[in-house]
Amino acid sequence: DGGITQSPKYLFRKEGQNVTLSCEQNLNHDAMYWYRQDPGQGLRLIYYSQIVNDFQKGDIAEGYSVSREKKESFPLTVTSAQKNPTAFYLCASSISQGNIQYFGAGTRLSVL
Amino acid sequence: GESVGLHLPTLSVQEGDNSIINCAYSNSASDYFIWYKQESGKGPQFIIDIRSNMDKRQGQRVTVLLNKTVKHLSLQIAATQPGDSAVYFCAETPGGGADGLTFGKGTHLIIQP
Repeated sequence: DGGITQSPKYLFRKEGQNVTLSCEQNLNHDAMYWYRQDPGQGLRLIYYSQIVNDFQKGDIAEGYSVSREKKESFPLTVTSAQKNPTAFYLCASSISQGNIQYFGAGTRLSVL
Repeated sequence: GESVGLHLPTLSVQEGDNSIINCAYSNSASDYFIWYKQESGKGPQFIIDIRSNMDKRQGQRVTVLLNKTVKHLSLQIAATQPGDSAVYFCAETPGGGADGLTFGKGTHLIIQP
């Protein structure tokens, strides 16, 4: 069953805590992306990676970090520096830049 | 700054009617456009895409029209069904899509029985 898997579906963060959201794809896609979605809003780009061991900041990268050690994995860490982390986080991948992006089911992050 | 936006936040249509969802973009460098459908609590689902060298593209029950002169994009859904109820986003990317997509805020399509 091919696709993009995000986990966990729901995540709670305590004050001052870093949390990591998982994103795995078995589509053999080179490019992967992280977006943030707030209620009633469109998606905003956090980070993207066009190839393994390389990634770039998107529009709202502050307070977030990523790694791309493997082609199939692109985890996102929400650090304690992100003061308003409550949102729906979506991971996407595409075969290469400039092609259709396919999305995972999302992770909903809340602050305790 | 440049952005992608939608004209109406909510669109209500009768089941069986055709739906037209509009999108305006302001980045003249945009050359690739995608429509996504997002159901509540789920990730966006690809519907149809179009590149700037085309004016129209058709899929199953959906048609996307691109007017580069006025920077306008529309999604037409034929014979709207209850399962079409969702938020629809247009997204654009300039310069061959080297970066991520820029999304509009979305239009919530409501189907009346």
